Amino acid sequence: ELKVEQNPLFLSMQEGKNYTIYCNYSTTSDRLYWYRQDPGKSLESLFVLLSNGAVKQEGRLMASLDTKARLSTLHITAAVHDLSATYFCAVEALDSGGGADGLTFGKGTHLIIQP
Amino acid sequence: GAGVSQSPRYKVAKRGQDVALRCDPISGHVSLFWYQQALGQGPEFLTYFQNEAQLDKSGLPSDRFFAERPEGSVSTLKIQRTQQEDSAVYLCASSLISGSTDTQYFGPGTRLTVL
Repeated sequence: ELKVEQNPLFLSMQEGKNYTIYCNYSTTSDRLYWYRQDPGKSLESLFVLLSNGAVKQEGRLMASLDTKARLSTLHITAAVHDLSATYFCAVEALDSGGGADGLTFGKGTHLIIQP
Repeated sequence: GAGVSQSPRYKVAKRGQDVALRCDPISGHVSLFWYQQALGQGPEFLTYFQNEAQLDKSGLPSDRFFAERPEGSVSTLKIQRTQQEDSAVYLCASSLISGSTDTQYFGPGTRLTVL
């Protein structure tokens, strides 16, 4: 059974600071997704990481994937209040039998950025 | 263009009632997924369609849950004899192709409350 663990689950930080959210998963996969969810809203796709060593950046967010360590990180640089949200990583099992498959999500990291 | 839409956005049901939740995927998207998100948790996979074929229903929690996509576009998730533990947000997602590297785009969800 594929398991996805995120840490921390809760994070309060000040504007201007840097921090990293970690996502570990339990079985072989080279497809990892990061989503953002605002309160009462649906999930917004941030990054799709498809290969070992993949790094993607968008604004103050940067995501990376190490498939050998089964680890992805989401790094926040010089945080601003607008980045306050819950961030989920999700993994797709490789042995899905072909075609798209359901994602296994972590519990999410609830991020609060204070002025 | 229009994203994934779901209706109703909110549904209150008495225990034992049947409910039907609708999902309109992005036009032309082949793959459609249903997820259940409990309060404070990450989404959990329920079922997956490729066009009209239901290829995976391993996540459906009981035989009270039934999903269909008869014409390969709109999908309906039906829950019979609702129970309190069915209270959750039900999310629908679609992706363009059946290949597993494609991003899943999520709808706003239906919040179901069973009294």
